[in-house]
Amino acid sequence: AQSVAQPEDQVNVAEGNPLTVKCTYSVSGNPYLFWYVQYPNRGLQFLLKYITGDNLVKGSYGFEAEFNKSQTSFHLKKPSALVSDSALYFCAVRDQSGGSQGNLIFGKGTKLSVKP
Amino acid sequence: NAGVTQTPKFQVLKTGQSMTLQCAQDMNHNSMYWYRQDPGMGLRLIYYSASEGTTDKGEVPNGYNVSRLNKREFSLRLESAAPSQTSVYFCASSVAGTGFREQYFGPGTRLTVT
Repeated sequence: AQSVAQPEDQVNVAEGNPLTVKCTYSVSGNPYLFWYVQYPNRGLQFLLKYITGDNLVKGSYGFEAEFNKSQTSFHLKKPSALVSDSALYFCAVRDQSGGSQGNLIFGKGTKLSVKP
Repeated sequence: NAGVTQTPKFQVLKTGQSMTLQCAQDMNHNSMYWYRQDPGMGLRLIYYSASEGTTDKGEVPNGYNVSRLNKREFSLRLESAAPSQTSVYFCASSVAGTGFREQYFGPGTRLTVT
């Protein structure tokens, strides 16, 4: 079955420190991976995606993600966290199963809390 | 561009009542989606419309119906609301429903069924 897992419900980081939000996936074939961010009482916003090419993908707001095929992971990273990065982060993978027409499967989300 | 808009923002229903959630996008996108978000469960796809004139069931379609009214609008109807349908509902759209393009989300509708 196609799936995506975010093993941490919450990640706590001090402002200025690097942050990592973890994501692992299970799909057949080549994976197509996305990160979204949700600020309180808002809809999800697209951050970045991996379709093909360079394993390090750069996105909005200084975020980047590293695709690792051997570890089936797509971790979200930022070198220096800001308090304003505090939000809920979702990893998603394209459903490769027949009939799904390429819909996205979302992880359960990771709450990132950045303290001053 | 307003992007994806949803109405209403909040709604309280009694068990058995019906309502329609409205969604519209002004980005000329072909594909539209309805999700529900519940604590600890992420987003789950209810229904989607890959293109105007087509609709298909997602992961959790029971208790819901949809209408793709035109290219811009995609509505979600609850015929007989149940407490299990208490959730936050998000509409989204994308250029094409191939899974390679990002989705754009509306601000959500917070629904409580008592």
